[in-house]
Amino acid sequence: GAGVSQSPSNKVTEKGKDVELRCDPISGHTALYWYRQSLGQGLEFLIYFQGNSAPDKSGLPSDRFSAERTGGSVSTLTIQRTQQEDSAVYLCASSLADSGIYNQPQHFGDGTRLSIL
Amino acid sequence: EDKVVQSPLSLVVHEGDTVTLNCSYEVTNFRSLLWYKQEKKAPTFLFMLTSSGIEKKSGRLSSILDKKELFSILNITATQTGDSAIYLCAVGTISNTGNQFYFGTGTSLTVIP
Repeated sequence: GAGVSQSPSNKVTEKGKDVELRCDPISGHTALYWYRQSLGQGLEFLIYFQGNSAPDKSGLPSDRFSAERTGGSVSTLTIQRTQQEDSAVYLCASSLADSGIYNQPQHFGDGTRLSIL
Repeated sequence: EDKVVQSPLSLVVHEGDTVTLNCSYEVTNFRSLLWYKQEKKAPTFLFMLTSSGIEKKSGRLSSILDKKELFSILNITATQTGDSAIYLCAVGTISNTGNQFYFGTGTSLTVIP
């Protein structure tokens, strides 16, 4: 596709349930990022995948959160035993790998709005 | 601790006004500073700045970086209602696992007709 695709766009679930959020990055982008955006807050980094390297999980808020990226493309973010404080918009972004000293900007999906009842 | 601070948090102006949004940062291993515009959903990329003193310009928007004083500004001239959005500043850094981006909380801009 032309842009980063995320699904579902909205998810409402009961506290304690597990949820899976999906991100399909731009074709050819080897870097993939997950962020969380709560109301009135900036983007909170969660996890970063770069090619075949081990992911940077330093932003995951608890062990209920995990993510994987299969085949270097699609990524899923899983939240187990959801809590009300997990309610937020989860944004995925992808970018080309660094080329020499030059950074590449991130391109964002529309996000998944997660609501925990 | 790496951090990015944006000011003001919110701003209301009339069409035609000029606005200046601020972003200051404290990070290790700085690589770049990026500005994004977020309307209803996905943030859209505006500018990437890596060198001090070089203005980047796109239409009515412009931005400049000061790596000595650790800040950037985003200017919007002759504002229009379509400029109403949240403007996000992000700083790219190098970590031992690759690239990391730190975002500010954003400036919410409202342009009144």
